[in-house]
Amino acid sequence: EPEVTQTPSHQVTQMGQEVILRCVPISNHLYFYWYRQILGQKVEFLVSFYNNEISEKSEIFDDQFSVERPDGSNFTLKIRSTKLEDSAMYFCASSGQGNYGYTFGSGTRLTVV
Amino acid sequence: SQKIEQNSEALNIQEGKTATLTCNYTNYSPAYLQWYRQDPGRGPVFLLLIRENEKEKRKERLKVTFDTTLKQSLFHITASQPADSATYLCALVRGSSNTGKLIFGQGTTLQVKP
Repeated sequence: EPEVTQTPSHQVTQMGQEVILRCVPISNHLYFYWYRQILGQKVEFLVSFYNNEISEKSEIFDDQFSVERPDGSNFTLKIRSTKLEDSAMYFCASSGQGNYGYTFGSGTRLTVV
Repeated sequence: SQKIEQNSEALNIQEGKTATLTCNYTNYSPAYLQWYRQDPGRGPVFLLLIRENEKEKRKERLKVTFDTTLKQSLFHITASQPADSATYLCALVRGSSNTGKLIFGQGTTLQVKP
């Protein structure tokens, strides 16, 4: 069964540093997303991406965040200057059209110290 | 803003019984509602999707109902097994197609005892 692959599985970074989280969505999917989940809390939407541009973003997704699909297979989330409150599990997801659910990756656990 | 509520208390049931989980929502009329399973430290895994014009959907031991008047979805697992123990998430899809932002509930943890 096709999978969404995320790397790294765990990233520890110092406050103020830049991090890039990487994702390989399912190859024939057209819609890509990033979500995050702070420990013990709900899964929260960050951003959706379609046709090489952001289609929607949440209030969380401020100027410190950016997304890119650099080469037609990878989908990245960059946090420019990490804060302690950015510590969370970040999930990449992709979807096609139709009556199907979204496929999520296993996540990257980001710890900002 | 949209609000989705699931029973925050864990649901403990005996193996072989039917588990019923509830999802209530306010301030929105979603075109689609999805159910996911999440295991600790893992990403959500899609289980079932139901459209606003469907009352019920089934897949093996799973059944979802969708009552747009009550603004409620029920998720049933029949003949439950210990392997069904996990957190189950309800999610609404914003927009008219099944490609928009997902808004998740906080999830209900199910524990199936042998």
